Amino acid sequence: KNQVEQSPQSLIILEGKNCTLQCNYTVSPFSNLRWYKQDTGRGPVSLTIMTFSENTKSNGRYTATLDADTKQSSLHITASQLSDSASYICVVSGQAGTALIFGKGTTLSVSS
Amino acid sequence: DAEITQSPRHKITETGRQVTLACHQTWNHNNMFWYRQDLGHGLRLIHYSYGVHDTNKGEVSDGYSVSRSNTEDLPLTLESAASSQTSVYFCASSESSGSYYEQFFGPGTRLTVL
Repeated sequence: KNQVEQSPQSLIILEGKNCTLQCNYTVSPFSNLRWYKQDTGRGPVSLTIMTFSENTKSNGRYTATLDADTKQSSLHITASQLSDSASYICVVSGQAGTALIFGKGTTLSVSS
Repeated sequence: DAEITQSPRHKITETGRQVTLACHQTWNHNNMFWYRQDLGHGLRLIHYSYGVHDTNKGEVSDGYSVSRSNTEDLPLTLESAASSQTSVYFCASSESSGSYYEQFFGPGTRLTVL
């Protein structure tokens, strides 16, 4: 069964610290992996999209990595800010025309 | 600026009533999607459309219907609302059906069925 598992479920860090969120997937065949940020009461917003051949992609203080062999991805947040408090969702896409598979998300809280 | 909007943002209804949630996008995207988001679940696909007059069922389509009469709008109808349909609903759109294309999400509609 195609699944996307994220860990941890929730995380609390101090402002200025770094953190890493994990995503494991069993989707096959694999086309691409996305990370979305969802602020409370808002829709998800794309951070990165990586294809099979890409193993790192950055968007400002957000860096996503992908290991297609082990079917794992991580999202690293550098020098966290209060505005990083949100849910981070890992989404995997199979072959063209198939639905996106969403993880349940990791809820990040950044405190001052 | 192009955008995707949903209305209403909040809705309370009673069991058995018909409810329609609106979704409107100004990107001129061919593809539009409806998802629901519940605690303990990732977003789940309800229905989707790849163009005018095209509609397809997603993972959790029972009790829902959509119609696509123009490019900009994909309204979601709950034929007879049930308490199990209490959820947050998100509409999304993308330029193409190719799996690499980014989906842009609306702000969501919180629906409560009493």
